[in-house]
Amino acid sequence: GQNIDQPTEMTATEGAIVQINCTYQTSGFNGLFWYQQHAGEAPTFLSYNVLDGLEEKGRFSSFLSRSKGYSYLLLKELQMKDSASYLCAVKDSGAGSYQLTFGKGTKLSVTP
Amino acid sequence: GAGVSQSPSNKVTEKGKDVELRCDPISGHTALYWYRQSLGQGLEFLIYFQGNSAPDKSGLPSDRFSAERTGGSVSTLTIQRTQQEDSAVYLCASSLVLGNEQFFGPGTRLTVL
Repeated sequence: GQNIDQPTEMTATEGAIVQINCTYQTSGFNGLFWYQQHAGEAPTFLSYNVLDGLEEKGRFSSFLSRSKGYSYLLLKELQMKDSASYLCAVKDSGAGSYQLTFGKGTKLSVTP
Repeated sequence: GAGVSQSPSNKVTEKGKDVELRCDPISGHTALYWYRQSLGQGLEFLIYFQGNSAPDKSGLPSDRFSAERTGGSVSTLTIQRTQQEDSAVYLCASSLVLGNEQFFGPGTRLTVL
């Protein structure tokens, strides 16, 4: 099974940098996803990490440490449109390796 | 471009009624997933289909829930004898192959009165 923890809410200022953390305890691990979900909309894919280290994609970066069961999503040069929920999801390595287990999401509010 | 589509977008029903929710995955995607998202909760995995293989139903919360996928494409999630606790947004996702990046549909918001 999987247990995934992330902060419930965060607030940051437009133009700033924010880091959203995700910790997980799993019986198996085969990758970690980050999704963005605006209110009332479907989640959209942001990043996928399976190896340790930092993956950078424009203003967004995602980091993974498998030994620590830890990931973070880093958002730079925050824009008002970045106000959304950010979902951390872990893919199991077991027989159910197709399954994603999602955290409850972190609601980010960007203020002027 | 053609993404994952779901219908209806909203469904209000009375307790005890049956409902059917539909999902059209992205053309060519072999894997299809159903999730449920309740207010303040994370996405809860319900069921997945891969090609013509038997679906994994391990996430279905009760035997009132069932799903089928016809011709390896369109899927229908059926909830029988709906209860108020079934109220949630039901999200469908598809991926090119099993376990890869999942593309989500807009969801069906189900309200059971």
